[in-house]
Amino acid sequence: QKEVEQNSGPLSVPEGAIASLNCTYSDRGSQSFFWYRQYSGKSPELIMSIYSNGDKEDGRFTAQLNKASQYVSLLIRDSQPSDSATYLCAVNPAAGNKLTFGGGTRVLVKP
Amino acid sequence: GAVVSQHPSWVICKSGTSVKIECRSLDFQATTMFWYRQFPKQSLMLMATSNEGSKATYEQGVEKDKFLINHASLTLSTLTVTSAHPEDSSFYICSAYQGARGANVLTFGAGSRLTVL
Repeated sequence: QKEVEQNSGPLSVPEGAIASLNCTYSDRGSQSFFWYRQYSGKSPELIMSIYSNGDKEDGRFTAQLNKASQYVSLLIRDSQPSDSATYLCAVNPAAGNKLTFGGGTRVLVKP
Repeated sequence: GAVVSQHPSWVICKSGTSVKIECRSLDFQATTMFWYRQFPKQSLMLMATSNEGSKATYEQGVEKDKFLINHASLTLSTLTVTSAHPEDSSFYICSAYQGARGANVLTFGAGSRLTVL
């Protein structure tokens, strides 16, 4: 079992719709959770961080964390073509500061 | 915000040569930096943790004699790919934590694309 799992996609959504991305992790003691966006050929850039159960909203993005079920999700509202990218879920395990990344979900927003 | 600068952004070299990639934290000190490698259509794989003033910690399966890491100052870590071969062609990305100012948020450099002929 991979430590951090994501559906590879592609997740195709029409412009203006909501894109919903999911991520599950195996280390129950994990404390910090992050969503990064990576455009093709570029390095990842941080979109959201979340540390406690519940929802966290930032503009069109909402991260949701459920530690009991060991999943973290990302919602992108009013999806734009510029949101087309690969979204990486990253988890900071209980021990140490090394982030573990999921395989990423490719999102395609069609005009 | 915190900036991590990486150089060169791309490099092409002949098989058997060595390539050095630099990673600098521009507006903060980084006692720890991380080196990742990413092959096409795959996720980031942590190669090693670079520790200022001490030896790097390598992940399982990463050859420490092939991927030399030096973290001589609080703002600079270097990765040297020695005797590069075509299978070493990849996207190498460094990263660092901002520390107290940014909690444990990891900031990435722009990456270095290595092509070994």
